[in-house]
Amino acid sequence: AQTVTQSQPEMSVQEAETVTLSCTYDTSESDYYLFWYKQPPSRQMILVIRQEAYKQQNATENRFSVNFQKAAKSFSLKISDSQLGDAAMYFCAYKGGANSKLTFGKGITLSVRP
Amino acid sequence: GAGVSQSPSNKVTEKGKDVELRCDPISGHTALYWYRQSLGQGLEFLIYFQGNSAPDKSGLPSDRFSAERTGGSVSTLTIQRTQQEDSAVYLCASNLLAGDGYEQFFGPGTRLTVL
Repeated sequence: AQTVTQSQPEMSVQEAETVTLSCTYDTSESDYYLFWYKQPPSRQMILVIRQEAYKQQNATENRFSVNFQKAAKSFSLKISDSQLGDAAMYFCAYKGGANSKLTFGKGITLSVRP
Repeated sequence: GAGVSQSPSNKVTEKGKDVELRCDPISGHTALYWYRQSLGQGLEFLIYFQGNSAPDKSGLPSDRFSAERTGGSVSTLTIQRTQQEDSAVYLCASNLLAGDGYEQFFGPGTRLTVL
């Protein structure tokens, strides 16, 4: 079975600084997708970024980028120029190519200091 | 267009009572998912529906949990004889197709508290 591990329960970053959130996963599949979701206090899960395993290029979305290391099964999220609105819980998630459900890590709470 | 909606937003019930949670997916989305988010357990998959195919119920924790999806749209998650350990946020998500890397769009969730 696939597992997703987020070992850091909490992190804090100064506004305008850069922070990296870690995620590792375990799978025997070669075809899969990885996601980072943001969950603010409103509970609404919002997709931040997505990475296809077959793509070597790391995904980027404005201030958000990933460091995808397929051999190491690592998928970290980098947030540049952190803003107060980035404060939320962040979940790393895995989806196998032949399976439709998402497998989530336990999440990390990110706080942003003004 | 409207996003995924869920009702009620919050539900408080007494142990042993049955509850029904409702999810309205985004119009046109053929796949619908239920997840449970509880302290210490993170987010767990419960069940998913894809079109007219038989649902994948592999994540349901016990036979007290069931779900149906009528007309390929609205879904209801039913928990019978609720227990205190059922207290959690129940999240619904939908996407256009279940396969590949299509984004799952989530609703705001229903917070269930069992006293």
